[in-house]
This record gives sequence, C-alpha cells and structure tokens, in this order.
Amino acid sequence: AQSVTQPDIHITVSEGASLELRCNYSYGATPYLFWYVQSPGQGLQLLLKYFSGDTLVQGIKGFEAEFKRSQSSFNLRKPSVHWSDAAEYFCAVGAMNYGGSQGNLIFGKGTKLSVKP
Amino acid sequence: DGGITQSPKYLFRKEGQNVTLSCEQNLNHDAMYWYRQDPGQGLRLIYYSQIVNDFQKGDIAEGYSVSREKKESFPLTVTSAQKNPTAFYLCASSRSLVQGKYSNQPQHFGDGTRLSIL
Repeated sequence: AQSVTQPDIHITVSEGASLELRCNYSYGATPYLFWYVQSPGQGLQLLLKYFSGDTLVQGIKGFEAEFKRSQSSFNLRKPSVHWSDAAEYFCAVGAMNYGGSQGNLIFGKGTKLSVKP
Repeated sequence: DGGITQSPKYLFRKEGQNVTLSCEQNLNHDAMYWYRQDPGQGLRLIYYSQIVNDFQKGDIAEGYSVSREKKESFPLTVTSAQKNPTAFYLCASSRSLVQGKYSNQPQHFGDGTRLSIL
C-alpha cells in the first residue's frame, strides 16, 4: 500500500536558521508530490507541488523542495526561518487508483515546527 | 475570491445528538472530502465524493454520514453512533482529474470546524 512518512514529529529551530523537513514515500513510479502548511486552528494551505521536470521546486513563502527518486524523498527546505513559519507541515502524494478508501491524496502525519527567538 | 467555507467554526454537541457540519465551495470542483484531525494523528479521511449523488467511505466512516445533492455542498453529519466525536474537522475539494492512474490534483481546504462534547 502507498504511504508517506514524515520521520520527525516535532522540530525546533532558531529564527534565521535553515530548515529541512523530511518526507519519504513508498511508490513505484514517478509520483505527484505536495507540501502543505497548517497554522494552529486553520486549514491546510498548499506550499508547493511536484509533477515532473526540474527536481527542485519553488513554492510560496520562500520554501523549496527537492525530489530525489533514488531516495524516495521530497524534503522541504527554507534557507532562513521566520517566527511566522511556526506551524505544522504535511507532505502528500497523489494516490494510485483513485477511488479506494484513501481519496486522491495520501498524507503524512505531519511535522510540527517550533521557532526559537 | 473562490474558496471553501466551513461553518460553524465551533460546535458543541450533547450526548446522543446528531450534528451537521456545513461545507460549501465555489471553486467548481467535482470532488469534495471530509477529514478528521486529532493531535498527533494527522489527517484521517472520513468520506469523499467524486461527483454529485455519489460518495465513498474513507478509513474512518463509522458514525458519520454525508450527502452530495449539489456540486457546491458536502455536509457531514456526526451521528450519536460516533462515540468520540471531539475533534477538528476539515473539508476540502479538488478537481477529479487523474493523470494515468495516479491522482495529480491538489486539495483546497476550508478553515475547519472544531466539535466538542458538552
């Protein structure tokens, strides 16, 4: 079965430091990949998506992600974190055989980011 | 602006009551979804609908019901059979297109409804 793993439940970084959030997927073919951000008490907002082509994808709010097929990874990065980036981040992959019990996207369990002043 | 509206923002339920959460979208999306979110458990899919008058159970459909009479609307009823309904509920929508056999459409989310038991 398809799955998405975000190995880090909670990460704390200092403001101004760089950030990398990990995402691994189990999949046979080239996947469609997404990163979302959720602020407390809010819905999810799409940060970026990867379909094909350039493996480095730029998103909103200064985020980028790199697709590495050999590692089945799609890690999210930001060179300098701001206090407003504190939120929960979800990685997702497009589901194979849409119509089962998983809907059209399979989500990881999320990584909560805290930012120290 | 197009988007998804969930109402109410906060909802309280007495034991034994059914409650209905509203979700409306004006994005002209075919597909709509309901998720439940509990701390540390990520998003769990309750129901989704790919087209009007049709819907499929997700991983945790027990104790919930939905209807899809209009493209714009996908209300979720939390029934008295749902023994632990306290959670944050998120509605989402997407286009229903599939590239090959893999789905490639992002979901767009509402701001959620927090349901609590009195």
